Amino acid sequence: AQSVTQLDSHVSVSEGTPVLLRCNYSSSYSPSLFWYVQHPNKGLQLLLKYTSAATLVKGINGFEAEFKKSETSFHLTKPSAHMSDAAEYFCVVSVRGDDKIIFGKGTRLHILP
Amino acid sequence: EPEVTQTPSHQVTQMGQEVILRCVPISNHLYFYWYRQILGQKVEFLVSFYNNEISEKSEIFDDQFSVERPDGSNFTLKIRSTKLEDSAMYFCASRGDRTSNQPQHFGDGTRLSIL
Repeated sequence: AQSVTQLDSHVSVSEGTPVLLRCNYSSSYSPSLFWYVQHPNKGLQLLLKYTSAATLVKGINGFEAEFKKSETSFHLTKPSAHMSDAAEYFCVVSVRGDDKIIFGKGTRLHILP
Repeated sequence: EPEVTQTPSHQVTQMGQEVILRCVPISNHLYFYWYRQILGQKVEFLVSFYNNEISEKSEIFDDQFSVERPDGSNFTLKIRSTKLEDSAMYFCASRGDRTSNQPQHFGDGTRLSIL
């Protein structure tokens, strides 16, 4: 069975400093992994996806994530945080042949001025 | 960019009443989904739908729930005899094909409040 663990429920960083949101997954098969962002009162927007091509994936708004099979991790990073990055971030796993996707519990990112 | 649209954005209903949540998926997509997010909890899969039938459902999706694609554009979730614990954000999603590397595209959600 597949699962996703987001290690931090809340992360606070100062504007202009790096962001690191951690995600570990468990899957019996080669997974596809995604990060979605949810701004207040908005839907879920796709940030980036990993689908067994390049292990370093670049997404929108300057975010990127690196797939590390040995660590079963897919952490999300951004070099310099912006106030508009304040939102909830979800790590998601999808397995070939499985129609549904599995969400992590989410990490709320706070940006301090 | 095409979007998934959901209506209404907020629905308030008396306990025991029926409610229908509406979604218009992206026009050329073939696979449709409903998810639920209870306040403060994770997003949970409810059901997937393809070719006018349910392809997979979770244990949450019991006889109280049903889905329908009544025409070529709408995809609805019906909840009968609503309970207080049905209060949640409900998200609709669609996908062009079923390969796991294709992301699902989500609507903005309907916030359902049961009184």
